[in-house]
Amino acid sequence: EADIYQTPRYLVIGTGKKITLECSQTMGHDKMYWYQQDPGMELHLIHYSYGVNSTEKGDLSSESTVSRIRTEHFPLTLESARPSHTSQYLCASSRDRVTYEQYFGPGTRLTVT
Amino acid sequence: AQSVTQPDIHITVSEGASLELRCNYSYGATPYLFWYVQSPGQGLQLLLKYFSGDTLVQGIKGFEAEFKRSQSSFNLRKPSVHWSDAAEYFCAVGPPSNTGKLIFGQGTTLQVKP
Repeated sequence: EADIYQTPRYLVIGTGKKITLECSQTMGHDKMYWYQQDPGMELHLIHYSYGVNSTEKGDLSSESTVSRIRTEHFPLTLESARPSHTSQYLCASSRDRVTYEQYFGPGTRLTVT
Repeated sequence: AQSVTQPDIHITVSEGASLELRCNYSYGATPYLFWYVQSPGQGLQLLLKYFSGDTLVQGIKGFEAEFKRSQSSFNLRKPSVHWSDAAEYFCAVGPPSNTGKLIFGQGTTLQVKP
C-alpha cells in the first residue's frame, strides 16, 4: 500500500486567494508529480520533480508553482486563485524514472468561486 | 505525435458479464504500459503493468491485460464483473525515454447493471 497523502481533500475558496495544496509521501521516492484532472477527463501533468531542489513544468501549462525542499514534501501553490483553476489536483510519486510506476494520493478537489 | 487512445468513453455491462476495455497507443517503440482505476472522489490505483516478457499480465481484483505489439494495444479484461468494479479506468504509457513521465488516455467510465 502506497503512503502518499494530500491535504486538504476538498477546498472551496474565493477568487484572488492564495492557496497551497499539500502533498507528502513516506516512501522515500525521489520523483513526484502533480496532475490536474477535470471531471470525467484524463490527467494532465502540470509539474514534476526528480528530487530535492529539482522542479520542472509539465505538459499542461499551469499558473501554479511548486517547490521541493524535502524529499517527502511537494506542495503546489496558486498565488491568486481563479474560477478557471477549479479542478481536481492529484499528486503522485515514483521510486525512480526507470520503473515509471506511480503511486497516487487521494486528490484535492478545488472549487474557486 | 505520441498518444494514448481509449476508444470507449462509457461502457455499461451487467454484473457477472465479461469486460474488455480497449487501449491503443502510438509510439515508435514499445512503451511501458499501465492500467489504473479511479473510484469517485479518489486517487488512482494501479491495476497492472507491462514492462516486458509474457504479453498476458495479471493484476489485482481479477483483472488481466494483453499486450499486442502488432496492434499497439493493451486491452484490459475481466471474466466476471462485480458491482464494485464500477469506476473510471485509465490506460497509461511510459515512453521508453527514461523520463519517468506517464501519458494517460481519456479514461473509460464503467457502469455495472445489477
